Order: sequence, then C-alpha cells, then structure tokens
Amino acid sequence: KQEVTQIPAALSVPEGENLVLNCSFTDSAIYNLQWFRQDPGKGLTSLLLIQSSQREQTSGRLNASLDKSSGRSTLYIAASQPGDSATYLCAVRPDTGNQFYFGTGTSLTVIP
Amino acid sequence: DTGVSQNPRHKITKRGQNVTFRCDPISEHNRLYWYRQTLGQGPEFLTYFQNEAQLEKSRLLSDRFSAERPKGSFSTLEIQRTEQGDSAMYLCASSRGNSRAFFGQGTRLTVV
Repeated sequence: KQEVTQIPAALSVPEGENLVLNCSFTDSAIYNLQWFRQDPGKGLTSLLLIQSSQREQTSGRLNASLDKSSGRSTLYIAASQPGDSATYLCAVRPDTGNQFYFGTGTSLTVIP
Repeated sequence: DTGVSQNPRHKITKRGQNVTFRCDPISEHNRLYWYRQTLGQGPEFLTYFQNEAQLEKSRLLSDRFSAERPKGSFSTLEIQRTEQGDSAMYLCASSRGNSRAFFGQGTRLTVV
C-alpha cells in the first residue's frame, strides 16, 4: 500500500518569504501526483497536477517538482501572502488501482 | 464548468438514524470518488465509480455504508444506523479518466 508523508506538519512564516512544502511516497510506481489546498472546514482545491513523466509544473507563484525515483515532491510558494494560509495536501495516484492516496497535510500560516 | 456540488453542506443526526448525501460531479467526468476526512487527517478513500459501475470499495466501507451512481451521473452515499465514529467530512471528487481530480465542498456529518 502506498504511504504518503508530508513534512512539516505545520509551518509559520512571515509574509513575503519563499517556502517549500515536502511530500514523500513509498512506492515510485505512480501515474501522477496532485497538490491541493484546503481551507478550514472546506473542500479541496486543486493547485497543480504533475504527471509521472514530468519534472515540474508551475502556476503563478506556485511551482511543484517531482522526483519519482526518490519518491519525493515539493511545492514551492514564492513571496508568500496571508491569503496563502491553509492546509496543503499532496495526493498520489498509483499506476494501478483507482484511488489516490493522501498525506496528512502541512498547515501553513503566513503572518502579516 | 460548475464544479462538483455536494449536498447538504452540514448534517446533524442522532445516533442510529440513517443519512444520505448527494454528489453532483462535473458533467463530462466519468469517474467519481467518495472520501472521508477526520480532523487533522488526510482524506481516506471510501469508494470509486466509473460511470455507473462501482469498481472499488475500501475496507473502511462497512455494510452500513452504501453508494450508488444511477445512470452514471450524480451519486448518493447512505449511512445506515449512524454511530458517533461516523462523524467526519465526506468528500466527493470527479475526474475524466486519470486526469486532474476536482473535489466538492464536502458534507460535514455530526452524529450526536
């Protein structure tokens, strides 16, 4: 079974800082990896999707990288803003099977 | 694209009652997923549909849980004889094949 780990569990940074969130997975046989944002009490908002053949994806101030062989992905957030405060979750879709596996998330607080 | 819609957003029920949740996926998406999320945890897979066929169920899905997707459009998740341990956020997602998954806002269930 795929195990997904996110470190750190919580992160607090001053506004304007660049930051990196980490996601690691135990089985490198993945189809794709997706990063989500979740605000308190809300559903998940899709941020970026990286296919297994890709190394990175960018959207605005967000950049996600994937190193499939080492079982790692990072989400880089540039010039953080208070509105970025949320929990960030990564989800791995394996090559076989129909579900995706989530980490427990990193809770980010950006201090004005 | 109206997104994934879930109803109700909140449900409070007494222990032992039955509850039913509804999910309307993005219209052209053939895959539909149900996940459950408890506080501080990542979402856990419950079940998956491809069109109207329920192709996979988690062991988390006890016999008190049943899901349907008639005609391959909306889906319902029913919990019979609710228990306090069923209190959680129930999330629905849809995708076209293995592409990006989009989640709804979830249904928050509280069993008292």
